[in-house]
Amino acid sequence: EPEVTQTPSHQVTQMGQEVILRCVPISNHLYFYWYRQILGQKVEFLVSFYNNEISEKSEIFDDQFSVERPDGSNFTLKIRSTKLEDSAMYFCASSGSRLQETQYFGPGTRLLVL
Amino acid sequence: RKEVEQDPGPFNVPEGATVAFNCTYSNSASQSFFWYRQDCRKEPKLLMSVYSSGNEDGRFTAQLNRASQYISLLIRDSKLSDSATYLCVVNTYTDKLIFGTGTRLQVFP
Repeated sequence: EPEVTQTPSHQVTQMGQEVILRCVPISNHLYFYWYRQILGQKVEFLVSFYNNEISEKSEIFDDQFSVERPDGSNFTLKIRSTKLEDSAMYFCASSGSRLQETQYFGPGTRLLVL
Repeated sequence: RKEVEQDPGPFNVPEGATVAFNCTYSNSASQSFFWYRQDCRKEPKLLMSVYSSGNEDGRFTAQLNRASQYISLLIRDSKLSDSATYLCVVNTYTDKLIFGTGTRLQVFP
């Protein structure tokens, strides 16, 4: 069964450092997403991406965040200067179409900012 | 008012019990509705979509009441493996999924 993969599974970084979280969506999917979940809290939408551009972003997704699809398979989330409050689980998801199809989630990257 | 509201639980039930979870959503423009399951420190996984006519998948039954903006999930004959957090999820006309905080279920022998 095809699945979304994410690397690394865990990342520890110092405050102010840049991190890049990587995702490989399901191969024939066209829509890509990042969500995050702070420990003990709900899953929150960050950004959606289609046709090589951002289609929607939340208030959390400020200038410190960026997304990119550098090649035909990877989808990345970059945090330019990490803050303590960026510590969370980051989930990548993909879907074949907008509303009708399920969003499939990757296993997540646990980010800890010290 | 929260966009998607759920009772956080935990619901502690014995094996074989029937348990029901409820969820309300605030945006009447919501178009798609789902129940996801999340195990501890894992990703959300789709349990089932929820349709206006109600739908069933084995031991799981989901209902939607658009007028009351209310979604439910019924689990019959609970198994130990059903222990998880159940997430009520909606989306509107956009791509983003809006999650509730989840209801924790613990099934004991």
